[in-house]
Amino acid sequence: QVQLQESGPRLVKPSETLSLTCTVSGLSINYYYWSWIRQRPGKGLEWIGYVYYTGSTEYNPSLKSRVSISVDTSKKQVSLKVTSVTAADTAVYYCARDHGNLADFWGQGTLVSVSS
Amino acid sequence: EIVLTQSPDLQSVTPGEKVTITCRASQSIDTRLHWYQQKPGQSPKLLIKYASQTFSGVPSRFSGSGSGTDFTLTINSLETEDAATYYCHQSSRFPFTFGPGTKVDLK
Repeated sequence: QVQLQESGPRLVKPSETLSLTCTVSGLSINYYYWSWIRQRPGKGLEWIGYVYYTGSTEYNPSLKSRVSISVDTSKKQVSLKVTSVTAADTAVYYCARDHGNLADFWGQGTLVSVSS
Repeated sequence: EIVLTQSPDLQSVTPGEKVTITCRASQSIDTRLHWYQQKPGQSPKLLIKYASQTFSGVPSRFSGSGSGTDFTLTINSLETEDAATYYCHQSSRFPFTFGPGTKVDLK
């Protein structure tokens, strides 16, 4: 059974760093890209970026200066860090497998709120 | 950045009716256009990939067409479980982008 599970703090203070982990089970982490996508409350979807299992990355320019995505193949985990967060970073964060440049399997998502 | 626009924003439909949603890209994206369905509280689910290929397990009432800048998602004979928001998504150029969504609800 394919499962992607996002985990991490649900509340982050302004100016701090948001850190999330996606644990992959039921399929190989190798030979795929792994994406992070977010959805602000009541809004549409925003592609944050992705990482290949080798570690190479591509980011959305709108977030590139603050975002880092990494992969640990031994733990079957993909990580997301967003620095200097503001209220505008409050969103549901999804990880997804990217196969052929499209996200075919998604995690359930985790809501992260930025507030003091 | 490639901008995707969808129409309509909202469509109220009676079960059994046909639904047509359009997505227009700000520049040509060949067939690198995909459609997702999202229900409240759930993650998006892939319906159609590369404009017209139905994803595994998706009911045959869902179909897609188009290339270049104009694309269509069709739901033949809507069922109550199809009430959701539908998003188009392009993977032709970075950054990948999504349309604003079309909400389909039941009359």
